[in-house]
Amino acid sequence: EVQLMESGGGLVQPGGSLRLSCSATGFTFSSYAMHWVRQAPGKGLEYVSGISHNGGDTYYADSMRGRFTISRDNSKNTLYLQMSSLRADDTAIYYCVRTHSNNWYSAQSFDYWGQGTLVTVSS
Amino acid sequence: EIVLTQSPGTLSLSPGERATLSCRASQSLNSIYLAWYQQKPGQAPRLLIYGASSRATGIPDRFNGSASGTDFTLTINRLEPEDFAVYYCQQYGSAPRTFGQGTKVEIK
Repeated sequence: EVQLMESGGGLVQPGGSLRLSCSATGFTFSSYAMHWVRQAPGKGLEYVSGISHNGGDTYYADSMRGRFTISRDNSKNTLYLQMSSLRADDTAIYYCVRTHSNNWYSAQSFDYWGQGTLVTVSS
Repeated sequence: EIVLTQSPGTLSLSPGERATLSCRASQSLNSIYLAWYQQKPGQAPRLLIYGASSRATGIPDRFNGSASGTDFTLTINRLEPEDFAVYYCQQYGSAPRTFGQGTKVEIK
């Protein structure tokens, strides 16, 4: 059974940093592209970032580019999102998501989602 | 960036009725790159439909997707109590992947 388990969320001050992790089980993690999608409280879904199976290609939505860094450790079956220069509007649940493809740019839907981890940016 | 506009914002229906949800793309979109997700309170989204009309694994056949140009439709036949939720469309053919703002299907 495919399982994605996010961790690392919490309360952080504006301008601060946080690293999210996503532990993957139930599939060959190193063969799949992975993504982060976020959802502000009571709002819709927003794409954050994607990474190809070997970590060689990454993509960021405009508002995250330069502040967020996606990475992965295939030996640990873990996806990461390093977030810096956090702002109040980064407050959201962050979901780890899989696509049934090797590369982030391959046109595939998001077939498995984690339960999410809440990041709150506030002083 | 492709903008997806969903309508209506809220749909109030009774169990057993049919729900028709719409999603319109701001520009031409290869219909095979359109998905629908269901999200219940406190849960992560779940993939329902991909390729505009293909049901994901385990999705009941009362969920149907269709496409016509830049207009996409999710139809839920004979609403079950567990179908009351928020539904999002998503395009995954271009970057960034974008979502509609959601349609809430609530019990009337």
